[in-house]
Amino acid sequence: EAGVAQSPRYKIIEKRQSVAFWCNPISGHATLYWYQQILGQGPKLLIQFQNNGVVDDSQLPKDRFSAERLKGVDSTLKIQPAKLEDSAVYLCASSLSQGGYEQYFGPGTRLTVT
Amino acid sequence: TQLLEQSPQFLSIQEGENLTVYCNSSSVFSSLQWYRQEPGEGPVLLVTVVTGGEVKKLKRLTFQFGDARKDSSLHITAAQPGDTGLYLCAATGNQFYFGTGTSLTVIP
Repeated sequence: EAGVAQSPRYKIIEKRQSVAFWCNPISGHATLYWYQQILGQGPKLLIQFQNNGVVDDSQLPKDRFSAERLKGVDSTLKIQPAKLEDSAVYLCASSLSQGGYEQYFGPGTRLTVT
Repeated sequence: TQLLEQSPQFLSIQEGENLTVYCNSSSVFSSLQWYRQEPGEGPVLLVTVVTGGEVKKLKRLTFQFGDARKDSSLHITAAQPGDTGLYLCAATGNQFYFGTGTSLTVIP
């Protein structure tokens, strides 16, 4: 089966610009996650969707970050405006459901903000 | 404050050596997972441990869940260059957390 797809793989933008990332989870997976991973650190959960509803967005900086999963399948994560400290890898993952199921990760999008 | 602290943060060893990575917390978890992440890729699940005191083996990797379900260890026997990567523990508290990570380099 196809894995989790993410695009773009790399993005370089200037601070105060906006950027969007796209994720297509494994078919049939109800739960979708967005993580931010600073180089050398563990991923930090930004937002978790169950179908098209938000389960947890407590660590999402809502003044600049937004995410949606309108039809309960693919998802977009947007940053507007970007800051230098947003430079990181943004990982998308999906699982059959929430509650301890194995998460399958995409390759990530490496964002550099200059 | 990190919920899951891993040690060591960095580890560089020669091929054939043994090593242990630790994942510690003050919280109790119903289950704990270990992932390995290679450069340019997302983490891949290695194992899930559920029962306190549980030991699971995956070829040369041995995973143990602490009796109190607050900590875990990963032991690699006779490390190989292919074991190089970032090892992450993860657990569900009031949300899903990853540990701080251990970057392992195995030198041929």
